Amino acid sequence: EVQLVESGGGLVQPGGSLRLSCAASRFPFSTYWMSWVRQAPGKGLEWVANINQDGGEKYYVDSVKGRFTISRDNAKNSLDLQMNSLRAEDTAVYYCATDSYGVFDYWGRGTLVTVSS
Amino acid sequence: EIVLTQSPGTLSLSPGERATLSCRASQSVSSNKLAWYQQKPGQAPRLLIYDTSSRATAIPDRFSGSGSGTDFTLTISRLEPEDFAVYYCLQYGGSPRTFGRGIQVEIK
Repeated sequence: EVQLVESGGGLVQPGGSLRLSCAASRFPFSTYWMSWVRQAPGKGLEWVANINQDGGEKYYVDSVKGRFTISRDNAKNSLDLQMNSLRAEDTAVYYCATDSYGVFDYWGRGTLVTVSS
Repeated sequence: EIVLTQSPGTLSLSPGERATLSCRASQSVSSNKLAWYQQKPGQAPRLLIYDTSSRATAIPDRFSGSGSGTDFTLTISRLEPEDFAVYYCLQYGGSPRTFGRGIQVEIK
């Protein structure tokens, strides 16, 4: 069964930085597009960023462009999200997910990021 | 950006009843690339339906999807106790991919 485990969340001040990681196992990670999707407390879902199999293509939602960077290490089966210049509106649970033909089919349990002073 | 409007916001039903959930798009969804997810409190979303009407792996056949263009429906033929949750639609025919705000299916 596909396993995705996020880590790295926590409390950070506005303007600060945080790096999220997602450890993948039990599937051929290097053959999948991967995404980060977030959910603000009590709110709906928002796609944040995705990356293709070799890391050569990356896409972002407009609200995080220039602040967030998605990356992957296929040798370590890991996906990262570097988040800089964090804002209160970035507060959310961040999920990593496999991204198959546009559909997020498998998800991790998520990691909570709280941006507050 | 395609905006998805889900209705009703909350659906109050009893186990065994039929649930009909609506998802309307602000413009036509390319190739009917619409999916449905179920989310329970404290859990990640689970994929139910993709490509409007294809069930994901291990999803019971009481879940079905239909629709085209701008109007899509998720139907749960007979609600089981474990089906009470929030349901989201996702369009992946346009960029960026967008979700609806969700429908809460609660026990009446």
